[in-house]
Amino acid sequence: QVQLVQSGAEVKKPGASVKVSCKASGYTFTDYFLHWVRQTPGRGLEYMGCIHPNSGDTNYAQKFQGSVTMTRDTSISTAYLELTRLTSDDTAMYYCARDKDGGFSFDPWGQGTLVSVSS
Amino acid sequence: QSALTQPASVSGSLGQSITISCTGTSSDIGNYNYVSWYQQHPGKAPKPMIYDVSNRPSGVSNRFSGSKSGNTASLTISGLQAEDEADYYCNSYRNGNTYVFGTGTKVTVL
Repeated sequence: QVQLVQSGAEVKKPGASVKVSCKASGYTFTDYFLHWVRQTPGRGLEYMGCIHPNSGDTNYAQKFQGSVTMTRDTSISTAYLELTRLTSDDTAMYYCARDKDGGFSFDPWGQGTLVSVSS
Repeated sequence: QSALTQPASVSGSLGQSITISCTGTSSDIGNYNYVSWYQQHPGKAPKPMIYDVSNRPSGVSNRFSGSKSGNTASLTISGLQAEDEADYYCNSYRNGNTYVFGTGTKVTVL
């Protein structure tokens, strides 16, 4: 079945960087957009942007431009979200989600990766 | 990039029907039939419940239905059950090849 499995929780200090992975299985990785979504207690779900694994083309939401980088490794069907210059505001759960067949919604979702930033 | 507006909370008794609204603008909900809804239980990933305004993914109960009028989309849950108690988020495609989520609604079953 189609599945997205994310890397485990991370604890980082302010100013550090973190790279979250999202491994896809059960479908052709290069056929579907892969999206990233952030969830914080105070702000609910926020759309961060997406990558098309075939071309590597990315489209970042305005709020996240310049502070996140989305990449992929097609040889291992894995997408990555890198966050740099971390602050406490980056403490959140990060989800990857695939485009649904036909596009314009997100299905399925990964299980989420908790990133905690604390000195 | 302002979020879509949802009520913070909605409640209903077992067996009743409730409706959650999701208000956007002519740049998102009003211009595209690409509204989706997600259910999220505590500690779990969001689960797709509705896509393209009113379509249910395979396996989702027909007690869940979606609609849209102008800049506002709605999710209706009929025959409310205990397991429906969760947070619900709407989402819409928006001008500029991006997406936007709603502020989220906590559903309480009385």
